[in-house]
Formats: sequence, structure tokens, C-alpha cells
Amino acid sequence: GAGVSQTPSNKVTEKGKYVELRCDPISGHTALYWYRQSLGQGPEFLIYFQGTGAADDSGLPNDRFFAVRPEGSVSTLKIQRTERGDSAVYLCASSQGLAGVQTGELFFGEGSRLTVL
Amino acid sequence: AQTVTQSQPEMSVQEAETVTLSCTYDTSENNYYLFWYKQPPSRQMILVIRQEAYKQQNATENRFSVNFQKAAKSFSLKISDSQLGDTAMYFCAFRRGSQGNLIFGKGTKLSVKP
Repeated sequence: GAGVSQTPSNKVTEKGKYVELRCDPISGHTALYWYRQSLGQGPEFLIYFQGTGAADDSGLPNDRFFAVRPEGSVSTLKIQRTERGDSAVYLCASSQGLAGVQTGELFFGEGSRLTVL
Repeated sequence: AQTVTQSQPEMSVQEAETVTLSCTYDTSENNYYLFWYKQPPSRQMILVIRQEAYKQQNATENRFSVNFQKAAKSFSLKISDSQLGDTAMYFCAFRRGSQGNLIFGKGTKLSVKP
């Protein structure tokens, strides 16, 4: 696609429920990133994929958070047993990675706003 | 560990005037990238300007320019001829090398007043 696409745009769920957030990166981008942005804060890194594998998952806060990218394109961020503190905007970004010209730039989607009641 | 600090939570400027947003960072790396991203209410982060650490010349993109002081680890953004559409959150970000994640500051909320 032309840009990074994230769905859903908004998600309201109840405490304890399971949530999936989807990211469709720019076609051909090998690197994909997930960030979490709480109100009034800058984005915080969660996980980074190079192709299908997680190159760095050091930002995942605990084992309730998990992300996959099985075919090296679309990625899903999965949150189990959601808590009120998980409420935030979840941003996805992609970049050229190793295969393309290295500009260092990340291209972001519009994010998925998660509200846990 | 790398850190990025933006010491101005909010700034305002009159339309057509010039404003400078501050950013400092801490790293022991020698090869890195610095960025300024703009985030309007739509939430999408938009790249404003990029600086490679190995380049001594300050980057410029139309009305946007940076003052990159590598020894001082400072990377400020100057917006000239401010426009109402420049109103947004501005985030300074650091990236080690040309791979890996971005580390963001907490942002500066810029308001351009008519």
C-alpha cells in the first residue's frame, strides 16, 4: 500500500479481555516496529522485526504482550488479559531495512487507540 | 543507554515568526541519526528533518533547519516563517546506526497563533 495501515483505529475493551492490533507496512519494507504512546508522552519502543523474526523485543513490558509477523509483511500485536494501564495509542512503523537505501527514516501509521475500561 | 531530552513541554509563536525547539541527547555511539518528527492531531508521525551524525553540515528542509552540535549533543529545530499548519507536537528522536529502533523525547507542543 501507499502508507502504513493500522486497524482498528479505535478499540474499546474491558479489563481482562484479549486484543489484537494489526499493522500493514509499506510494501517492500523489511523492518517493522511497534511503539506505545501514552497520553502526553513520546512513543516508547516495544518490538522491532527484521523480516519474520523479532530482532529486538526488549521493549515489551511483560509476557501479556506478544507480536508476530509470520510472512514478513503484516504484523499483529497481541495483548492478553488487558489492564487499564494498557490504554494508549499503539503506533506501527516500517522502514526499508537492509535491502533498500538506508535513510534511517521510519514511516508511521496513524495508530490504534486502545481503551481498557 | 541512549536518552533524548526535550526540555520545553510547550511553546507558542506568532504566525510568520521564527521559533526554535530544543533537544539534547546522550550516547556513546559515533554513528547515529537524529530526527525531528511532527505529530498533528491525526496521530500520524511525519518526518520533518533528518541529520546524519557524520555530516557536519546542518540539515535544511525549506522552512525547517537544525543546529546540530555533536560535541554538545544538541540538536535544535528552527522553524522560520511559522504557519498555522505547523501547530502540532514535535518529537526529537535518536537512532543508532541505520537500523534498530528510534528513541523519542517527550515532545514539545507547538502552537502557532494568528
